[in-house]
Amino acid sequence: NAGVTQTPKFRVLKTGQSMTLLCAQDMNHEYMYWYRQDPGMGLRLIHYSVGEGTTAKGEVPDGYNVSRLKKQNFLLGLESAAPSQTSVYFCASSPRGQGSHEQYFGPGTRLTVT
Amino acid sequence: EDQVTQSPEALRLQEGESSSLNCSYTVSGLRGLFWYRQDPGKGPEFLFTLYSAGEEKEKERLKATLTKKESFLHITAPKPEDSATYLCAVQANQAGTALIFGKGTTLSVSS
Repeated sequence: NAGVTQTPKFRVLKTGQSMTLLCAQDMNHEYMYWYRQDPGMGLRLIHYSVGEGTTAKGEVPDGYNVSRLKKQNFLLGLESAAPSQTSVYFCASSPRGQGSHEQYFGPGTRLTVT
Repeated sequence: EDQVTQSPEALRLQEGESSSLNCSYTVSGLRGLFWYRQDPGKGPEFLFTLYSAGEEKEKERLKATLTKKESFLHITAPKPEDSATYLCAVQANQAGTALIFGKGTTLSVSS
């Protein structure tokens, strides 16, 4: 099993450009998440999905859109990139079930917006 | 407001020098508390889940404990390969599946 994979690993954008980050998981998990990690800020939730076709906003959703057309994929879109979106983006997934479940993270995408 | 605070921000140890990392939390009903390890340039790697006060879990040189207000990650006789950033996160009963992360403790172990 590859676990959680993310594409691309690195990307440089100019202000105003758009891009899509792809997350894929092969663990048959129901839940998927997008986080951003900035120095001194910790991991913050952008959007998440509790199942195919459903998405919800997290703590810092502005400037981002997401889609979950297939259970194994979760896409994060930036419509008009801004320097404030320079960050490392992590995707995670977890199974559904009673109680609390750990989230499994991908290797991250380092995005720089100039 | 649900909150997680980790201390210290950074910790330097000599190989074999045991110590503890602290995670203090304020949450409206704890569903679970998680510890992760993160190496530079990589994603967080799951270590432990704790559910209720008094619970303890161990893995090699690491032991995690939980009280009603905080969790400790005890590192016994650390080795240089234990150097990493350790993240604490909580899941609240009313927050759905979202995790709230602390800012982490960066541990450096020198030989």
